[in-house]
Amino acid sequence: GEDVEQSLFLSVREGDSSVINCTYTDSSSTYLYWYKQEPGAGLQLLTYIFSNMDMKQDQRLTVLLNKKDKHLSLRIADTQTGDSAIYFCAERSGGSYIPTFGRGTSLIVHP
Amino acid sequence: ETGVTQTPRHLVMGMTNKKSLKCEQHLGHNAMYWYKQSAKKPLELMFVYSLEERVENNSVPSRFSPECPNSSHLFLHLHTLQPEDSALYLCASSQDLPGELFFGEGSRLTVL
Repeated sequence: GEDVEQSLFLSVREGDSSVINCTYTDSSSTYLYWYKQEPGAGLQLLTYIFSNMDMKQDQRLTVLLNKKDKHLSLRIADTQTGDSAIYFCAERSGGSYIPTFGRGTSLIVHP
Repeated sequence: ETGVTQTPRHLVMGMTNKKSLKCEQHLGHNAMYWYKQSAKKPLELMFVYSLEERVENNSVPSRFSPECPNSSHLFLHLHTLQPEDSALYLCASSQDLPGELFFGEGSRLTVL
C-alpha cells in the first residue's frame, strides 16, 4: 500500500463542516502537514502538527492526530465555496528532510 | 516578482523534442525541488538541490535532467519523453533541509 493514503473526493454543502482523513504507515513520523492546492496553483502549507500533539486549532481549521492508529484529520468549520481545492496530507520522520505526500483529496463545496 | 515562478505554464511537445522547464525563486532560499503531479497519484519527488548540489535523485529516468546553476534557479531539461510523462511539474523551494516548502504554480506538460 501507499505510505500516505487519502480518499480522492469529498463533497459538502456550504456552511457544513468538512472532515478530510489521512492514514500513514511510518510510525516514526514526527511532522504531519496539510497542504491546499487551489485550481491552477501550486501547493500551499495550511497547517502542521508535531507528533507529540493530538490536536491543533487555527481559526476554522482543526487538526486531530491519533498516533496509535496513524490517523490524521483536517476539519474545516463553516465550509465556504472558496475552500474548494485539493487537500494534501504529508508526513515526515525526524530522520528525513523530505515530506511524503498522499494523492490529495478534492473537496467540492456546493450551495 | 515574489515567491516561486515557473515557466512555461503550459507546454506541448512531441516525443522527439527537447525542451526545458524553468523555476525561479525570489525568497532567498537555499534548497529547491522538482515534483511530478499526476492525476490520482501521490505527489512524486523527483530531485532535490541544496546549496546548488543535488542531494536526492528519486529513481527518475535519464530523459529528465535537472540543472541548478545557482540557488535561485532550477531547470528541468526534457528529451525523448513518453506520453506517460504528461503531468503537472511543480517546483518548490525551502530555507534549509528540512524546511517549509513553497511551491510554484506548476508547468503543465503534455507529451504527444
